[in-house]
Amino acid sequence: DTGVSQNPRHKITKRGQNVTFRCDPISEHNRLYWYRQTLGQGPEFLTYFQNEAQLEKSRLLSDRFSAERPKGSFSTLEIQRTEQGDSAMYLCASSPRGQNTEAFFGQGTRLTVV
Amino acid sequence: EDKVVQSPLSLVVHEGDTVTLNCSYEVTNFRSLLWYKQEKKAPTFLFMLTSSGIEKKSGRLSSILDKKELFSILNITATQTGDSAIYLCEGYGGATNKLIFGTGTLLAVQP
Repeated sequence: DTGVSQNPRHKITKRGQNVTFRCDPISEHNRLYWYRQTLGQGPEFLTYFQNEAQLEKSRLLSDRFSAERPKGSFSTLEIQRTEQGDSAMYLCASSPRGQNTEAFFGQGTRLTVV
Repeated sequence: EDKVVQSPLSLVVHEGDTVTLNCSYEVTNFRSLLWYKQEKKAPTFLFMLTSSGIEKKSGRLSSILDKKELFSILNITATQTGDSAIYLCEGYGGATNKLIFGTGTLLAVQP
């Protein structure tokens, strides 16, 4: 296993279009997190899965954002009707359940909305 | 609401200086505090702290946790330009055992 994988690495889209990102966590990790990060800022929590269950979703997240993890393995994050303010780096991280350990991050998907 | 606050937000120093980065937290069901370094892409893990008063050290970096006062510091001695990065503090806990990040400290080390 080579770690957390995110695709695509870069996405440029026109305002109003929908985009979908994918995250493949480390195989034995059952916790998966999505974060959004803008330049010079720390990661902002979006949502969190334990297996296929979405345990928490940020109250700051509009209803244009949705995430799934249907089989408890990979996850997708969809943004509908994108806006310029959605331009950011979207980071995925995973960690094993029941262990007090660090999170392992993917390289992120950089979204630019034009 | 659970939160992690870092200070300063940004810092510019010269090579050879020593810096101290601060992190305070309010996390229910607190389990641990972690430090990460983020350069251009994904954050990379530095330290995990679970007990008060026990210093973790790696080369020129060291960190300590105070669970009574709810804060941690990250020290970097003899800074180098390669230390330039965002340093993230993360509290692990909360009602659902999630990762709670601070806004980060942007450190710039000038030659």
